[in-house]
Amino acid sequence: EVQLVQSGGEVKKPGESLKISCKGSGYRFSSYWIGWVRLTPGKGLEWMGIFYPGDSDTRFSPSFQGQVSISADMSISTAYLQWTSLKTSDTAIYYCAREGGGGHFDYWGQGTLIIVSS
Amino acid sequence: SSELTQDPAVSVALGQTVRITCQGDRLRSNYANWYQQKPGQAPLLVIYDKNNRPSGIPDRFSGSGSGITASLTITGAQAEDEADYYCNSRDSSGHPVVFGGGTKLTVL
Repeated sequence: EVQLVQSGGEVKKPGESLKISCKGSGYRFSSYWIGWVRLTPGKGLEWMGIFYPGDSDTRFSPSFQGQVSISADMSISTAYLQWTSLKTSDTAIYYCAREGGGGHFDYWGQGTLIIVSS
Repeated sequence: SSELTQDPAVSVALGQTVRITCQGDRLRSNYANWYQQKPGQAPLLVIYDKNNRPSGIPDRFSGSGSGITASLTITGAQAEDEADYYCNSRDSSGHPVVFGGGTKLTVL
């Protein structure tokens, strides 16, 4: 069974750094793109970036380029989304999702709620 | 602004048929996918590549499309279908990274 399990929610202060994770299981982790998607009440779902663990190929939405980084540890089948300096506007739920063959996100993590507040 | 445009809200009477639409120029050359999201849950793929249902999705969900418009139809809407629905399509490199703004479906 394919599963993506994300790390737990966090409460952070503006300017702090953060790295959240997404662990894949039940499939060959290196062979599927992993996307990160943000959910906010005002904008709905927004694609942030997409990462191929097999060769670390990474693409970013122009809206998030330079704001976050994406990486993975193949040895533990885990992808990461990282911020070096959080803003209050980063408050949102963040999802990882597997891109299935054919251009759709077929499996999603349960989401990680990030609250950034002073 | 989203390159894929959806009506913010749609309502349907229990047991009736509802169509949720998505418009955008990229739909001329790319199929649409549809995701259902209920409060507190992750998005769930309900239609991919215009009109394919993943395993486990009820057959009351169907997809269609022509030109710049894609549609998700729920035939005989149930109370449990009340949710936000997002359309999604590919960018120029083939990744499914463009989302519509979402439609909130209310089942009356």
